[in-house]
Amino acid sequence: DAGVTQSPTHLIKTRGQHVTLRCSPISGHKSVSWYQQVLGQGPQFIFQYYEKEERGRGNFPDRFSARQFPNYSSELNVNALLLGDSALYLCASSLGTGSHQPQHFGDGTRLSIL
Amino acid sequence: AQSVTQLGSHVSVSEGALVLLRCNYSSSVPPYLFWYVQYPNQGLQLLLKYTSAATLVKGINGFEAEFKKSETSFHLTKPSAHMSDAAEYFCAVSDQYSSASKIIFGSGTRLSIRP
Repeated sequence: DAGVTQSPTHLIKTRGQHVTLRCSPISGHKSVSWYQQVLGQGPQFIFQYYEKEERGRGNFPDRFSARQFPNYSSELNVNALLLGDSALYLCASSLGTGSHQPQHFGDGTRLSIL
Repeated sequence: AQSVTQLGSHVSVSEGALVLLRCNYSSSVPPYLFWYVQYPNQGLQLLLKYTSAATLVKGINGFEAEFKKSETSFHLTKPSAHMSDAAEYFCAVSDQYSSASKIIFGSGTRLSIRP
């Protein structure tokens, strides 16, 4: 079975631009979470979506937004990119919501801001 | 509020030696605790998790961790290190009562294995 897939794998943008990152969860998983991992640090929670509704939000500015589609795939959008947005963006899927649910991570999208 | 502190950003052991990666947590509610491993250019893989059942948790690849409430610790161990264990390891915590799947990660410990 396919795992969590993310696209693109690498992306280079300049300051002020916007970016859209995509995630396809494991088949049957209805929850998708997004994390930002800055080089040398642990991942930080950005959003969780379950059944197309936002279920959790981390401490990120409004420039960050996300949505989930009827097929449970998800997009993360970041507007007005800053140099500090350079990071590995990880998507994780789980069967449902709740902290007991094991989360399965994709390999991430590495975003570089010039 | 919840947090985890991983003691030692880099640990180096010889092949065949004991691996011990330290993690202390802070949580105002009963926590779930996790250890994840990240290989270069990959996502995170769950090694093991504590969900308030047995305090000694066995995971994949021979790793185990013990939940000690009195010490607020959840250290990761493996009796005999293998070269393939070289990776970044993250301790993480979440809120048992939360309806969301938010996980709070530590800053990671890089494990190196000497031949």
